[in-house]
Amino acid sequence: DAGVTQSPTHLIKTRGQQVTLRCSPKSGHDTVSWYQQALGQGPQFIFQYYEEEERQRGNFPDRFSGHQFPNYSSELNVNALLLGDSALYLCASSLVGHDNREQYFGPGTRLTVT
Amino acid sequence: AQSVTQLGSHVSVSEGALVLLRCNYSSSVPPYLFWYVQYPNQGLQLLLKYTSAATLVKGINGFEAEFKKSETSFHLTKPSAHMSDAAEYFCAVSDHTGGFKTIFGAGTRLFVKA
Repeated sequence: DAGVTQSPTHLIKTRGQQVTLRCSPKSGHDTVSWYQQALGQGPQFIFQYYEEEERQRGNFPDRFSGHQFPNYSSELNVNALLLGDSALYLCASSLVGHDNREQYFGPGTRLTVT
Repeated sequence: AQSVTQLGSHVSVSEGALVLLRCNYSSSVPPYLFWYVQYPNQGLQLLLKYTSAATLVKGINGFEAEFKKSETSFHLTKPSAHMSDAAEYFCAVSDHTGGFKTIFGAGTRLFVKA
C-alpha cells in the first residue's frame, strides 16, 4: 500500500520564479492538504482540496495556488517566489467521511529560494 | 480560533528517564488532538490521537497522552526514554466543523542523553 508521495525531493529556485510541487495521496484517500514548514517551526496550513476544489485556505497570499486532479493527486504552485518561501512543503492526505481527522503525511519537498 | 501551545522548545532527558512533553490547546468546540513525531529530513508520523473517546490515549512506540478538558491540556508521556526517541514532536488540534484543517504547535525537540 503506497503512502503519500511527493516530488521533487529538493529544488532550488531564484526569487521571482515560479514553482510547482506535486503530491500523490495514499491509496483510497480523496482529500489533499498542503502545509508549509519553515525551519524550526511547526507546519502551517496552506489549503485543502477535495473533489477538485479548494475547500479551506489558511492565511497565505494568492501567490499560492493549487489544483487537484480526477485521480486525487494534487499540485501546489507558488508564483513570484520570495526568500521567505524557503521551507519544507508537506502534503497530507485523508478520507472524507472518515471521522477521525487522521492525515497521512508525505516526506515533503524542500524548497530553497536564493 | 484554535491554537496550540507547546511548553518548551527543547527538552533533554537521560535514557531510561520519563519523557514529558507539554501541550495546551485552545478551541471553541470539542477538539480532536494529535501528537506527531518528525525525524530529521522526514515528514510527520502520527503517534496518537484523541477523538472524544477515552481520555487516556495510547500510541505507538510506548507513548501515551491524557486529555484534560479542565486544564485544556494534552501532554505526551513515555515512561522510559530510548535513544531512538530523539526527534521533533508536534502537538496539533483539529475541529469537528468539517475538513481536516489542522493547527500545529511550534514543536518540541527531544534530546536523549546516554
